[in-house]
Amino acid sequence: DGGITQSPKYLFRKEGQNVTLSCEQNLNHDAMYWYRQDPGQGLRLIYYSQIVNDFQKGDIAEGYSVSREKKESFPLTVTSAQKNPTAFYLCASTPGGSSGNTIYFGEGSWLTVV
Amino acid sequence: AQKVTQAQTEISVVEKEDVTLDCVYETRDTTYYLFWYKQPPSGELVFLIRRNSFDEQNEISGRYSWNFQKSTSSFNFTITASQVVDSAVYFCALSGVNFNKFYFGSGTKLNVKP
Repeated sequence: DGGITQSPKYLFRKEGQNVTLSCEQNLNHDAMYWYRQDPGQGLRLIYYSQIVNDFQKGDIAEGYSVSREKKESFPLTVTSAQKNPTAFYLCASTPGGSSGNTIYFGEGSWLTVV
Repeated sequence: AQKVTQAQTEISVVEKEDVTLDCVYETRDTTYYLFWYKQPPSGELVFLIRRNSFDEQNEISGRYSWNFQKSTSSFNFTITASQVVDSAVYFCALSGVNFNKFYFGSGTKLNVKP
């Protein structure tokens, strides 16, 4: 089945450590996104990528990094510079191209700093 | 500026009641797209509907209906005869002609009690 797969579902990180969240899609979508969701709040855009080997900062990119070496993969690294990383992270994708495309989401990853 | 406001943070209803979730948006684009997503406790955002700015017809899908009014910049969502399975957080979102950037409201948590 086509979809977006995020792993791991739950991740615990010690302070000062970098962690990488995986996001893979087999929808042949060009554009991919990472959002952060804090309890009781909406989604905030971290990074997005419209095409392979290219990505742009979203609204809250500080303390995060991404890569887009393959069309189907868009991993997110939460670095030690991110001061408050405990949150729910959602990966998403759209077909790209013209505006108006629907955005589809993975199941999300819970990151907790211990 | 692009903005989506969901003023209702949380709503509680008893099963079989009708409930309307409000969504008000701001945009300078003449062409734009509006979406509703459902986020059950599992976390994944599930796409419900997409509507473009040129189509003001209301839409009904089973127990769900959407009322789009450009004059008041609103895109409200009504669930008729609510069920416990409707309990979730619902997000309204907007995308414009600026390639595939999505703006999400803060979400409305719906509690349907038996």
